[in-house]
Amino acid sequence: AQSVTQLGSHVSVSEGALVLLRCNYSSSVPPYLFWYVQYPNQGLQLLLKYTSAATLVKGINGFEAEFKKSETSFHLTKPSAHMSDAAEYFCAVSEGNTGGFKTIFGAGTRLFVKA
Amino acid sequence: DADVTQTPRNRITKTGKRIMLECSQTKGHDRMYWYRQDPGLGLRLIYYSFDVKDINKGEISDGYSVSRQAQAKFSLSLESAIPNQTALYFCATSDPDRGGTEAFFGQGTRLTVV
Repeated sequence: AQSVTQLGSHVSVSEGALVLLRCNYSSSVPPYLFWYVQYPNQGLQLLLKYTSAATLVKGINGFEAEFKKSETSFHLTKPSAHMSDAAEYFCAVSEGNTGGFKTIFGAGTRLFVKA
Repeated sequence: DADVTQTPRNRITKTGKRIMLECSQTKGHDRMYWYRQDPGLGLRLIYYSFDVKDINKGEISDGYSVSRQAQAKFSLSLESAIPNQTALYFCATSDPDRGGTEAFFGQGTRLTVV
């Protein structure tokens, strides 16, 4: 069975500081992993995805994530936070190329950016 | 125009009423999904459909039904709405056969049952 745990429902950083959002997963088969972002009053949009190629994945808006199999982690980072990064972020896991019907979402982490 | 469109965007309804949430897409994807989002719980899958003739229950289908009227349209119904169905509902599509593994979401429908 798959599961996703996002550590911290809220994270607050200062503008210009490092952003680190933590995600741990469990999967009985090689996983596909995703980070989605949700801005207020909008749907989720894909930030980046891991699909068994390079373990360091670069996404939009300067975000990246590293797949670490030994730690079953897929943490999201950005070197320098911007005010526009304030949003809710969801980590998700699916069992390979199943197109989403077995995609499991984490509970979400809300990122606050202080001026 | 949005690739995945949900109507209505907001709805307040009374307990016991029947309500339908509609979703249409212009992405040409075969797979469509309905999720609900609750604070602290993330997104949970209600129903999914791989094509017009294929409908499957997700993890929380009780109290809901769906209809896949065409490749582009997937509706979610609450036959008799209850207050704990108050949530944000999302429709999504995907098409792994074309190499895509991610889901594409609509903007959501905020439903309040009073």
